[in-house]
Amino acid sequence: EVQLVESGGDLVRPGGSLRLSCAASGFSVSDTYMSWVRQAPGKGPEWVSVIYSGGSRYYADAVKGRFIISRHESESTLYLQLNSLRPEDTALYYCVRGGGVYVFDIWGQGTMVTVSS
Amino acid sequence: IVLTQSPGTLSLSPGERATLSCRASQTVSNSYLAWYQQKPGQAPRLLIHGTSYRATGIPDRFSGSGSGTDFTLTISRLEPEDFAMYYCQQYGPLPGFTFGPGTKVYVK
Repeated sequence: EVQLVESGGDLVRPGGSLRLSCAASGFSVSDTYMSWVRQAPGKGPEWVSVIYSGGSRYYADAVKGRFIISRHESESTLYLQLNSLRPEDTALYYCVRGGGVYVFDIWGQGTMVTVSS
Repeated sequence: IVLTQSPGTLSLSPGERATLSCRASQTVSNSYLAWYQQKPGQAPRLLIHGTSYRATGIPDRFSGSGSGTDFTLTISRLEPEDFAMYYCQQYGPLPGFTFGPGTKVYVK
């Protein structure tokens, strides 16, 4: 079964750091593009970052220079390193698989990041 | 590219037809426009990709259409399980992906 399971969300103070993990099963994270999408409470989804199968990485302007996406192929795990966190980064962070032409066909259940003093 | 969805909320009864709009600030390739459904406490689910292609397992009462900057999701006859939030999503100039603010379809 194709599945994504995120972990690593927590309560962190402004300026702090966190690393999110996403364990994939049923496929390899290097086979296709993988993204992180976040959703603040009561808001719509917001795309955060993507890593393509060839290794190219891109970020939303709101997180560029602060977040880093990476993957571990043999462990089939996707990561998101969150640095210099701000209150506006508070959200449920979803790990998503790219399917077809630039759409997200498999979503994890999400891991909650709360940035507050 | 900024996506705008209308209406923000839609009050309908089961069996009625729902028409949801997604408008882009610039032209979007038909290949790169998708729709998602989200229910409370759940992750979004892919409904439509490439403007008009239903994702695996999506019933045929869901259909998508449009081109350029104007796209539409139509639910021909609302079933009780269709009352939810709906988001459009596009892929365009780098960095790439954006979502619309959503339309909430709720029971009249």
